[in-house]
Amino acid sequence: SQQGEEDPQALSIQEGENATMNCSYKTSINNLQWYRQNSGRGLVHLILIRSNEREKHSGRLRVTLDTSKKSSSLLITASRAADTASYFCATGLNTGTASKLTFGTGTRLQVTL
Amino acid sequence: NAGVMQNPRHLVRRRGQEARLRCSPVKGHSHVYWYRQLPEEGLKFMVYLQKENIIDESGMPKERFSAEFPKEGPSILRIQQVVRGDSAAYFCASSQGTGVTDTQYFGPGTRLTVL
Repeated sequence: SQQGEEDPQALSIQEGENATMNCSYKTSINNLQWYRQNSGRGLVHLILIRSNEREKHSGRLRVTLDTSKKSSSLLITASRAADTASYFCATGLNTGTASKLTFGTGTRLQVTL
Repeated sequence: NAGVMQNPRHLVRRRGQEARLRCSPVKGHSHVYWYRQLPEEGLKFMVYLQKENIIDESGMPKERFSAEFPKEGPSILRIQQVVRGDSAAYFCASSQGTGVTDTQYFGPGTRLTVL
């Protein structure tokens, strides 16, 4: 199964509300990254949090990481219709010779007016 | 635009034909990764290359798939004798290094349809 599992699989909210997505993983990691994918498009990198960090902010995004629970959450505050997309967490285990990302199945976020 | 470039964006092949997908990394990036995404699923790692070397191909099917990243020119993902199950979106990513904070930047993908 995938290293990362997002929860919920789908989320529908109204513009202005906050959206919270969760990600769980199974093995040790060096970092965890969140990406956004609009329908039929490529991935846009949102934020990277290192394994020794607990929280990180970027604009309306807030990411937390709990390595003891092997989980992370992405909070989007004051959501906008343009935030409608799929959001993926990806765990990285960079060892110098192996640098692949392992993706979860994604959360599909729908923001309505 | 200095981002990752992929071409073609859409590729249609009949069963048994060959598919060649190209990826030009961000200028200055020497690490290239290929991922495959099936409909409604997340991306799955296929292969990681540096210039002229395959570093990790643990996600590549053993047969029909190959990848290269020559000294000059783009990285190529080659699928021989395509089958319908190869229909997917193939994404290329590149990074400057492999450190803990090195981000992978993704291209727009190539959507392969096998008829």
